[in-house]
Amino acid sequence: DAGVTQSPTHLIKTRGQQVTLRCSPKSGHDTVSWYQQALGQGPQFIFQYYEEEERQRGNFPDRFSGHQYPNYSSELNVNALLLGDSALYLCASWPPRGVETEAFFGQGTRLTVV
Amino acid sequence: QKEVEQNSGPLSVPEGAIASLNCTYSDRVSQSFFWYRQYSGKSPELIMSIYSNGDKEDGRFTAQLNKASQYVSLLIRDSQPSDSATYLCAVNPLGRSGNTGKLIFGQGTTLQVKP
Repeated sequence: DAGVTQSPTHLIKTRGQQVTLRCSPKSGHDTVSWYQQALGQGPQFIFQYYEEEERQRGNFPDRFSGHQYPNYSSELNVNALLLGDSALYLCASWPPRGVETEAFFGQGTRLTVV
Repeated sequence: QKEVEQNSGPLSVPEGAIASLNCTYSDRVSQSFFWYRQYSGKSPELIMSIYSNGDKEDGRFTAQLNKASQYVSLLIRDSQPSDSATYLCAVNPLGRSGNTGKLIFGQGTTLQVKP
């Protein structure tokens, strides 16, 4: 059973460019959330997708957008990249709604903006 | 006040000792609490979840929850050098059945276990 998979693992982009990160959730999971983790900090919630819609959003600008496909996989898009967007981007997947749900993370995408 | 607070450390313990990691949270309605371990350059790995007041044990790990004091802790018994990592406390603010897909993390506590 494959866990949460993210691609690519590393990425270098130039300031002002756009980037797309991808995530496939764990088998049986239907909710995906995205996090940004700067060096030395805890992950910060970006947004959550369920039933192909953004359900919740953290304190991130509109440059950050996403999508969820019918197979539950998800994308994170960041436009007009800034140097401060350099971080580890994590995708977490959640099982269907119920009692005692636990999130599992992918290996992350390390984004460097130069 | 941060929503989830942890001492960033580093916390240094000798091999074989008990490591005690602490976390406080501000949202009283939170119901679900998690401890993740993160090795340098890697993604967080879930090691414990706790939903009710009291203790929950899993091998060398014990999670403790006190909702009245808004306090969560993680004890690691017989600490090993391989336990050296950053430990992240996370809170799901809207309850166990909400499956909101949102976790609020503390900044993490770095644990160093010295041989």
